[in-house]
Amino acid sequence: DAKTTQPTSMDCAEGRAANLPCNHSTISGNEYVYWYRQIHSQGPQYIIHGLKNNETNEMASLIITEDRKSSTLILPHATLRDTAVYYCIVRVRGYSTLTFGKGTMLLVSP
Amino acid sequence: GAVVSQHPSRVICKSGTSVKIECRSLDFQATTMFWYRQFPKQSLMLMATSNEGSKATYEQGVEKDKFLINHASLTLSTLTVTSAHPEDSSFYICSARSPRDSGYEQYFGPGTRLTVT
Repeated sequence: DAKTTQPTSMDCAEGRAANLPCNHSTISGNEYVYWYRQIHSQGPQYIIHGLKNNETNEMASLIITEDRKSSTLILPHATLRDTAVYYCIVRVRGYSTLTFGKGTMLLVSP
Repeated sequence: GAVVSQHPSRVICKSGTSVKIECRSLDFQATTMFWYRQFPKQSLMLMATSNEGSKATYEQGVEKDKFLINHASLTLSTLTVTSAHPEDSSFYICSARSPRDSGYEQYFGPGTRLTVT
């Protein structure tokens, strides 16, 4: 699976949009971009995934660049409960295992 | 979404004893389950992949005789930490892979905090 690079930490004010970047310059054509998050002392929670089109669900939006070498996870209106470590993972959908990097620690402040 | 449970959520045991952690997929059948370990301020590390009815596949550096994995049914996998030592204290997380017609996605349990004294 391709390697990803994320900032170590980010801050966001409550109510503002949180934009979390991820670089995956070696991504292959059949690899998807997945985002998970882990709130302290809990198991990872699936957020969203995409191949090349932008995706949106009730939690977040995923913007993937046209060359697919980077992506951005957008939490449109961050709340204190969104404080967590966010992991960007690139993998072939389904059968391959999930390999977690260090992720981005997002701190949402009042 | 699919739900995965773990039991217990936290356990304290004495050094030298064994402790069993259960992972259940509550609303789907999982032919494959995964066990991860997470030390403080570190990321999740895959320990082993468990397939129903067959032996688990362990990642390099994980002692298979120490971390016994049993996946006897399509909804239950267990991890037994044998002869636990303080350095085994960690956060253990399981995940279950959904069936093919659900995209083979992975769903995670809430984790089990093991403390060995």
